[in-house]
Amino acid sequence: DQQVKQNSPSLSVQEGRISILNCDYTNSMFDYFLWYKKYPAEGPTFLISISSIKDKNEDGRFTVFLNKSAKHLSLHIVPSQPGDSAVYFCAATDSGNTGKLIFGQGTTLQVKP
Amino acid sequence: DAGVIQSPRHEVTEMGQEVTLRCKPISGHNSLFWYRQTMMRGLELLIYFNNNVPIDDSGMPEDRFSAKMPNASFSTLKIQPSEPRDSAVYFCASSSRTSGRREQYFGPGTRLTVT
Repeated sequence: DQQVKQNSPSLSVQEGRISILNCDYTNSMFDYFLWYKKYPAEGPTFLISISSIKDKNEDGRFTVFLNKSAKHLSLHIVPSQPGDSAVYFCAATDSGNTGKLIFGQGTTLQVKP
Repeated sequence: DAGVIQSPRHEVTEMGQEVTLRCKPISGHNSLFWYRQTMMRGLELLIYFNNNVPIDDSGMPEDRFSAKMPNASFSTLKIQPSEPRDSAVYFCASSSRTSGRREQYFGPGTRLTVT
């Protein structure tokens, strides 16, 4: 029972273009969502988060959008750079637990020069 | 600021041997999480601690796995006896619940190979 799903295992975009990574969730109790980036042989690194009281959060080239009615969130990277090539995980949590994150399976992004 | 520290970075052992993975969380963080990453199951939570107390160990696959947190700055994950199917990358992460933030900060991981 996957509560957080990233249906696209991989994505390839050209440098300078927009990368859009998608994530769906099933648990309506989730109220906080996070994106992590992971390079090979390193641990996941926190990228950006969004609370369910918002529908958009922006940090530099990274923007996360949340559509609560569709239980869908997306991460936009504009413009994409070759250094953005990594595995991206979305994660979700609810305020009722003690900080436990539920992760998606990840999407491998390749940004071509 | 030092991040989460894990040791060893790589461990190769034979089936049946005991394996101990170590983690030092970020100073001041009061929650600690152990994860395992495999191709088949992705990133799965094994156990987590709040204020050194184990809260949820439902992700621990078998009795062969055990975890301890004797103090706020150290935790171990032990596998005894190890089996080839335990081969994976094990991550430790920490967070500060008292800050109200929910981000977890991950260590570099320990790549375990059981032959």
